[in-house]
Amino acid sequence: EPEVTQTPSHQVTQMGQEVILRCVPISNHLYFYWYRQILGQKVEFLVSFYNNEISEKSEIFDDQFSVERPDGSNFTLKIRSTKLEDSAMYFCASSVSGTKDTQYFGPGTRLTVL
Amino acid sequence: GEDVEQSLFLSVREGDSSVINCTYTDSSSTYLYWYKQEPGAGLQLLTYIFSNMDMKQDQRLTVLLNKKDKHLSLRIADTQTGDSAIYFCAERTPYALNFGKGTSLLVTP
Repeated sequence: EPEVTQTPSHQVTQMGQEVILRCVPISNHLYFYWYRQILGQKVEFLVSFYNNEISEKSEIFDDQFSVERPDGSNFTLKIRSTKLEDSAMYFCASSVSGTKDTQYFGPGTRLTVL
Repeated sequence: GEDVEQSLFLSVREGDSSVINCTYTDSSSTYLYWYKQEPGAGLQLLTYIFSNMDMKQDQRLTVLLNKKDKHLSLRIADTQTGDSAIYFCAERTPYALNFGKGTSLLVTP
């Protein structure tokens, strides 16, 4: 069964460093999403992406964040200068069509900022 | 967004039924979801219900929806130790999913 994959599973970085989290959505899906879950808190929406541009973003998704689909399979989230409070589990999701369709989630990348 | 509310913890004995409750915020939500998260793993879609339905059954899972009270529940029949996980309720907003904080289900032998 097709699934969303994410790499790495765990990323440790120093405060101020740039990180890139990678996702491979399900192949026939057209809409892509990033969510994050700070330890002990709820899963929060960051951004949605369609047709090579951002569809929607939350107030969390500030200028430190960017997303890109560099090729036909990968979908990345970049954090330019990480802060301690960026430590969280980051989930990628994809769906066939727009937000009315079911979103399928990857296993997540745990980001630890020291 | 506004908070989707769930109780944080539920403990049941193996073989019993589990009922996980959720109160959502947006009466216009068209789809409501239950996701399961096992330790160290991602979010697994368990089931969903469309807002024009009152109930949906899928094997051991039964979802009940009360639109008037904006209340959603997930019943797991014959709960097994493998059902121990965190269960997230989520409502569809215009552009994303709005999740609750999750209910941690512990199934004891």
